[in-house]
Amino acid sequence: AQSVTQPDIHITVSEGASLELRCNYSYGATPYLFWYVQSPGQGLQLLLKYFSGDTLVQGIKGFEAEFKRSQSSFNLRKPSVHWSDAAEYFCAVRGDSNYQLIWGAGTKLIIKP
Amino acid sequence: EADIYQTPRYLVIGTGKKITLECSQTMGHDKMYWYQQDPGMELHLIHYSYGVNSTEKGDLSSESTVSRIRTEHFPLTLESARPSHTSQYLCASSPVGISYEQYFGPGTRLTVT
Repeated sequence: AQSVTQPDIHITVSEGASLELRCNYSYGATPYLFWYVQSPGQGLQLLLKYFSGDTLVQGIKGFEAEFKRSQSSFNLRKPSVHWSDAAEYFCAVRGDSNYQLIWGAGTKLIIKP
Repeated sequence: EADIYQTPRYLVIGTGKKITLECSQTMGHDKMYWYQQDPGMELHLIHYSYGVNSTEKGDLSSESTVSRIRTEHFPLTLESARPSHTSQYLCASSPVGISYEQYFGPGTRLTVT
């Protein structure tokens, strides 16, 4: 069965520092992978997606993610975080059926001034 | 502007009341979803629809019901609210065709007293 693991429940990063959020997935075929961001009290916004092709994917707000099949990972990165990046980040992979997504539990990003 | 809307944003209601959470999208998407989200937890799919008059239950058992009489409208109803229904409810939609990316509304925060 498909699954998504985000090993870090919370991550604290200083403003201006680089960021990497981890995502590991379990999926038999070629995965469709997504990163979403959720600001407090809001819905989820799509940051980026990977379907095929270049394994380094660029997204909105300066984020990028790299698909590594050998490690079953799709880690999210940003070279320099801003206080406005404080939010919860969710990784997702497509399910086997019916256009559903399988979600990770999320990583809460805390920015230190 | 194409978007997805949820009303109300916040609702506090007493036990036993009937409630309907509204979700509408103006993006022409055929697929729509309802998720339940508790703090610090992953999203749980409770209902989905692939088009008019098509509704299915998701992975998480829910006492709610949904209807899809119009493409753009996907309301969720609780016949008799209980404190265990206290949660955030997120509505999402997905484009026509083979697409897994989902677009989310702002959510409804429901508290049942």
